[in-house]
Amino acid sequence: EIVMTQSPATLSVSPGERATLSCRASQSVRSNLAWYQQKPGQAPRLLVYHASTRATGVPTRFSGSGSGTEFILTISSLQSEDFAFYYCQQYDNWPPYTFGQGTKLEIK
Amino acid sequence: EVQLLESGGGLVQPGGSLRLSCAASGFTFTNFAMTWVRQATGKGLEWVSGIDANGFSTYYADSVKGRFTIYRDNSKNTLHLQMNSLRAEDTAVYYCAKNDDHMIVLSLIDHWGQGTLVTVSS
Repeated sequence: EIVMTQSPATLSVSPGERATLSCRASQSVRSNLAWYQQKPGQAPRLLVYHASTRATGVPTRFSGSGSGTEFILTISSLQSEDFAFYYCQQYDNWPPYTFGQGTKLEIK
Repeated sequence: EVQLLESGGGLVQPGGSLRLSCAASGFTFTNFAMTWVRQATGKGLEWVSGIDANGFSTYYADSVKGRFTIYRDNSKNTLHLQMNSLRAEDTAVYYCAKNDDHMIVLSLIDHWGQGTLVTVSS
């Protein structure tokens, strides 16, 4: 089973600043990596897939990069609605398609 | 608009059974694989089970293998998760999710339901 490790566990950033979230896979997942945003009491929402493709309706301030074992989600200028939990998930290796443990993005 | 509406959650005793259902609409259900993901309170997301569009291929996390069964009724656009021999550690919100392809393999989750809470406790 591939282990996905996200860092940091909590990231404190001021509105308008840039946030950089990391996700590392225990073995290569090529570009088969998705990012999800989850707000308290809500279901997750797909943000990025194939490591760098924004999902429909996702603002351009969200961007993904990376391949293999190292991935980054960047939010270029944080808006109030961006403070949430973020999860990466690999869908490369046979199920289970494992998630990272999540990063909490909070207001500084 | 894709809609996924879960039902069937509730309180059950350890060792008991529960069947979750997910009514799908807004897309051609028979063309897409489906997935169940769960989330314990205050915890992260855990992939539980997936099924291909035709229902012939199913996949399970080791933590539920042999106890849970995923199946679908394509004539009724409904996904199910039969959960037997439930344990306290199965307590979680269970999300029904749509994949972006007809097969689970190499497909991602692109839409989620709002979830249904399962509590396993005596």
